[in-house]
Amino acid sequence: TQLLEQSPQFLSIQEGENLTVYCNSSSVFSSLQWYRQEPGEGPVLLVTVVTGGEVKKLKRLTFQFGDARKDSSLHITAAQPGDTGLYLCAGLPAGGTSYGKLTFGQGTILTVHP
Amino acid sequence: ETGVTQSPTHLIKTRGQQVTLRCSSQSGHNTVSWYQQALGQGPQFIFQYYREEENGRGNFPPRFSGLQFPNYSSELNVNALELDDSALYLCASSFGVGASGGAAVPYEQYFGPGTRLTVT
Repeated sequence: TQLLEQSPQFLSIQEGENLTVYCNSSSVFSSLQWYRQEPGEGPVLLVTVVTGGEVKKLKRLTFQFGDARKDSSLHITAAQPGDTGLYLCAGLPAGGTSYGKLTFGQGTILTVHP
Repeated sequence: ETGVTQSPTHLIKTRGQQVTLRCSSQSGHNTVSWYQQALGQGPQFIFQYYREEENGRGNFPPRFSGLQFPNYSSELNVNALELDDSALYLCASSFGVGASGGAAVPYEQYFGPGTRLTVT
């Protein structure tokens, strides 16, 4: 069973602070996606990382895929109240016929206070 | 480009009843995956449909079934509803490319807004 451990589970910070969310597994993933979800809505895709060691930037968000493709991180610089939400990592298992079964972490609830 | 849509938005059913949820995939996509998300947890994979056939299934009982239509829209059916079936049901569409053996290997998945199902 492919498992993704996401940490921390909860994060409450002040506007302007930096933060990092981690996503770890003992399994290798062919790709890993980060989503942001607001209450009552579906997850919105932020980024997909595919290559080990890959770093992608999306404005104040920096995503990194581990060299071994088993872990990933999301770093937010100068957080704003609009960043508040549930952040989810999801991996597509490597090898065999994964059937596109995304394995999700349990999520990180981020609250940014003005 | 039309995004993923789901209907209905909310639904309340009684234990033992049956329910059908609907999903229209994003334009250009041929694969639909269904997920169940309990409150405070990440989504759990139910099953996926590629070109009208089931293409993989998670750890859900047979009373969870589905269909995909020629226009790639999809339905999720749940029979004999249980209280634990109360959740947000999400569908995600993607473009699957047939790999060796015919299995689809979808890439990025785009989610609909979900259907909130409450079983009483």
